[in-house]
Amino acid sequence: EAGVAQSPRYKIIEKRQSVAFWCNPISGHATLYWYQQILGQGPKLLIQFQNNGVVDDSQLPKDRFSAERLKGVDSTLKIQPAKLEDSAVYLCASSPSDSPIYEQYFGPGTRLTVT
Amino acid sequence: AQSVTQLDSQVPVFEEAPVELRCNYSSSVSVYLFWYVQYPNQGLQLLLKYLSGSTLVKGINGFEAEFNKSQTSFHLRKPSVHISDTAEYFCAVITTSGTYKYIFGTGTRLKVLA
Repeated sequence: EAGVAQSPRYKIIEKRQSVAFWCNPISGHATLYWYQQILGQGPKLLIQFQNNGVVDDSQLPKDRFSAERLKGVDSTLKIQPAKLEDSAVYLCASSPSDSPIYEQYFGPGTRLTVT
Repeated sequence: AQSVTQLDSQVPVFEEAPVELRCNYSSSVSVYLFWYVQYPNQGLQLLLKYLSGSTLVKGINGFEAEFNKSQTSFHLRKPSVHISDTAEYFCAVITTSGTYKYIFGTGTRLKVLA
């Protein structure tokens, strides 16, 4: 079974530029999560999708971050414009459902550096 | 609101020695508890979880954790560590009702020394 795929793995941009990350979850997984992991901290949930609907985006900085999950499969996370404090690893995870009975499967992450 | 505290940011231990990584949580409602491991340049992987039942939970790679409700703790233990256990370990909680949102601790870096 293929795992959660993310691309790119690394990205370096200047502040005020825009960037997009892509996530392909495990086939059949209805729930998809985007996390931000700043160096030295634990992952922080940015947005959670159930199929193609948003369940929780309370910690997503909506003035600059946006995310979508078209057709309930792949997802993209965009930052526009980027700030220095957005430097972090962006993790995508998927699960068969949002129930804690099911494990979240994490991708390898995208490391973003904003200069 | 829920929160998770991992008291040790780094834990060095010699190979084949026992280790305990500490996790305390704060919540006004019942919670589910998790431990995840993150190897360098990889995503997180579930080690074990407590949902209900026995308070001693066994996970993968020989790890176990004990849920202590009175002390609001969920410490992770392994009786004998290997070099390959060197990684970052994260404790996480979610509440048992409403939207299931994971709250992660800041992590403990376990370094196993030869």
